Amino acid sequence: NAGVTQTPKFQVLKTGQSMTLQCAQDMNHNSMYWYRQDPGMGLRLIYYSASEGTTDKGEVPNGYNVSRLNKREFSLRLESAAPSQTSVYFCASSDLAGGPSNEQFFGPGTRLTVL
Amino acid sequence: SQQGEEDPQALSIQEGENATMNCSYKTSINNLQWYRQNSGRGLVHLILIRSNEREKHSGRLRVTLDTSKKSSSLLITASRAADTASYFCATVFLIQGAQKLVFGQGTRLTINP
Repeated sequence: NAGVTQTPKFQVLKTGQSMTLQCAQDMNHNSMYWYRQDPGMGLRLIYYSASEGTTDKGEVPNGYNVSRLNKREFSLRLESAAPSQTSVYFCASSDLAGGPSNEQFFGPGTRLTVL
Repeated sequence: SQQGEEDPQALSIQEGENATMNCSYKTSINNLQWYRQNSGRGLVHLILIRSNEREKHSGRLRVTLDTSKKSSSLLITASRAADTASYFCATVFLIQGAQKLVFGQGTRLTINP
């Protein structure tokens, strides 16, 4: 089991460029999440997908879009990157609430710098 | 913001001592979870305490929850150098079957050998 995988690990963009962060999980989880972590801060939820076919905004969705491609994959897209989006991005997955486990499993993160 | 607050922001102790971290939050919760983050890594789940529980143990970890004060504490006993990491509390809200986690800013724990 690889758990939650993310690509790429590092990325540098220029202001205005676009990119997609990829996330995949092999634990058959229904729910998936995207967070960002700024220096010295906790994680903030960008978007989440409670189950395949649904996506919803989290705390800081502006400037981002997501796609739940299938049960395994959940991608995050920056259409026009801004320096304020410089951050470390984490993907996570979990069972549905009430399932066998309530914990979230996190990927290793993507470190994004926007110049 | 629903984000909780953690105290202290940084803690440095000697190996073998106990470490206590505190977390306060603002609204009613379903459960509260503690996570550890090693430098440059993702978060790892440590322990979950439900809103109807007051104390929970897991190995060298002890978590308490006081819903009347909207606060929780994490105690790590007999600390080891490998416990050096950042620790985050996360309050959990259930939305459409998903678990929405709201994280505190974290406590950076350093264990000195």
